[in-house]
Amino acid sequence: TQLLEQSPQFLSIQEGENLTVYCNSSSVFSSLQWYRQEPGEGPVLLVTVVTGGEVKKLKRLTFQFGDARKDSSLHITAAQPGDTGLYLCAGFDTGTASKLTFGTGTRLQVTL
Amino acid sequence: GAVVSQHPSWVICKSGTSVKIECRSLDFQATTMFWYRQFPKQSLMLMATSNEGSKATYEQGVEKDKFLINHASLTLSTLTVTSAHPEDSSFYICSASRALLNYGYTFGSGTRLTVV
Repeated sequence: TQLLEQSPQFLSIQEGENLTVYCNSSSVFSSLQWYRQEPGEGPVLLVTVVTGGEVKKLKRLTFQFGDARKDSSLHITAAQPGDTGLYLCAGFDTGTASKLTFGTGTRLQVTL
Repeated sequence: GAVVSQHPSWVICKSGTSVKIECRSLDFQATTMFWYRQFPKQSLMLMATSNEGSKATYEQGVEKDKFLINHASLTLSTLTVTSAHPEDSSFYICSASRALLNYGYTFGSGTRLTVV
């Protein structure tokens, strides 16, 4: 079973602060995705990273895929209350019937 | 594009009854759909992979006779929770993908099931 551990589990910060969420595994993934989920809704895809060492930016969010494709990070610059939500990494491995394995999740709360 | 509709968004049922949840891909065909379960403040746990025209593949520990999955067409998969009990109360989410890797997965908005 492939496991994805996210840290921290919970993060409460003030508006304007920076933060980094980590997603680690002992398994190699062919690609990795990051989602954000708000209460009572399904996850929404933020980004897909495919190449080891790849860095993608989405406005104030920066995503990085580890060189060995076992880990990833999400960095948010100048967090805003609208960034509040559950952030989930998910690994995709074509060798496991093309299913996604979700990380343990990081709950982010940004206050004014 | 790539919209997945899930219905109902919430349902309350009595213990012992069955509940059907529908998952539809509105603007694309999905040969494979996935069903997840999410407990409060936890991540998504894959329950089963639904394949159009064939039997679903269940994850270890998921009772296939309790969680019936039907994928009769390329745009519709259903999950039926049979003889529901309070411990089945959870948030159920489906997802579908057009082309793996390139498009990622689109998730439904989820169904909150409460069994009383």
